[in-house]
Amino acid sequence: KQEVTQIPAALSVPEGENLVLNCSFTDSAIYNLQWFRQDPGKGLTSLLLIQSSQREQTSGRLNASLDKSSGRSTLYIAASQPGDSATYLCAVKRDNDMRFGAGTRLTVKP
Amino acid sequence: DAGVTQSPTHLIKTRGQHVTLRCSPISGHKSVSWYQQVLGQGPQFIFQYYEKEERGRGNFPDRFSARQFPNYSSELNVNALLLGDSALYLCASRLTGGDLGNTIYFGEGSWLTVV
Repeated sequence: KQEVTQIPAALSVPEGENLVLNCSFTDSAIYNLQWFRQDPGKGLTSLLLIQSSQREQTSGRLNASLDKSSGRSTLYIAASQPGDSATYLCAVKRDNDMRFGAGTRLTVKP
Repeated sequence: DAGVTQSPTHLIKTRGQHVTLRCSPISGHKSVSWYQQVLGQGPQFIFQYYEKEERGRGNFPDRFSARQFPNYSSELNVNALLLGDSALYLCASRLTGGDLGNTIYFGEGSWLTVV
């Protein structure tokens, strides 16, 4: 059974810092891995999608990497801003379902 | 263009009652999935429908059922509600049933409280 773990559960940083969020999964036979952002009480917004054959994806200040063999992914956020404050979730997909981690709650302080 | 829309946004039900949640996917999207998100946890997969057929089912009891209509909208039904069914129910749509280059879009969810 696929297990997805995100560390840390919560993170607080001052504005301007670069930071890394971690995601690990137990079964490397995945189709893809996605990172999402969720604001309090809201739905999820897809940030980056990495196919199983890819190593990384970049969008603006965000960079996500994937190492299937070790079952790890990282989300790197450069020059963090207060508007980045949210919960970040990773999800791995195999077959017809996506398996999510519990998320990392990020607070960026002005 | 409208995103994924869900209704109702909030509702309160009593144990043992039945609830129907509705979802309209993005125009042109044929795949709809349902997820349950309990407070403090990540979403858990319940169902996926594509072209009105069930394509996947998560580890949920038979009290949970869903269907997709010819216009690709979908309903999630939950019977004999339990306190543990209290959660945010998320609907997601994508263009097709496959994944390659196929972004998934989530609605804002329906908050269900069972008392």
